[in-house]
Amino acid sequence: DGGITQSPKYLFRKEGQNVTLSCEQNLNHDAMYWYRQDPGQGLRLIYYSQIVNDFQKGDIAEGYSVSREKKESFPLTVTSAQKNPTAFYLCASRVRLGFQRNSPLHFGNGTRLTVT
Amino acid sequence: GNSVTQMEGPVTLSEEAFLTINCTYTATGYPSLFWYVQYPGEGLQLLLKATKADDKGSNKGFEATYRKETTSFHLEKGSVQVSDSAVYFCALRDDYKLSFGAGTTVTVRA
Repeated sequence: DGGITQSPKYLFRKEGQNVTLSCEQNLNHDAMYWYRQDPGQGLRLIYYSQIVNDFQKGDIAEGYSVSREKKESFPLTVTSAQKNPTAFYLCASRVRLGFQRNSPLHFGNGTRLTVT
Repeated sequence: GNSVTQMEGPVTLSEEAFLTINCTYTATGYPSLFWYVQYPGEGLQLLLKATKADDKGSNKGFEATYRKETTSFHLEKGSVQVSDSAVYFCALRDDYKLSFGAGTTVTVRA
């Protein structure tokens, strides 16, 4: 079955450490996204990538970094510069804009990161 | 910029009750509108969508109509079940970006 896999489901880190969240998709989607979910705030866009080797900042990119070396993979690094990293992180993908303008996002099951 | 405002929760209902979750939006252009649902511990799943004014999206007994005149996309279900307990998100897409509302937690009691 095609889908998006995020791992691990739960992640714990000490303050000051960088941590990388994995996101892999086998849907052959060009575009991939990272969102952060906090209680009462909905989802906020961190980074997105519309094609391999290209990515753009979303609304809250500070303290995060990404790479897109392969179509299937879009890892997110939460750096020590992110002031409030504890959150639920969701990865998503979709068919590239322009091919199916109204195609929906497909989401992974998320990674809950706790930094203490 | 584009934004979505949806009814604050939490909402608690009895089984077979009528559910409405209000959603209004602000956008330039003609965005597509979506409702996503999130079950506990999972990511979001698309529930329904509408791409132009007066379109009605429907799925699993849920419906929402794209009302351009009131900039609204309210979600309704005539008879909820315990399995409908989840967080519901209204969203709009204009170009590449999807903007989400804050989410409404719905709990249905047997």
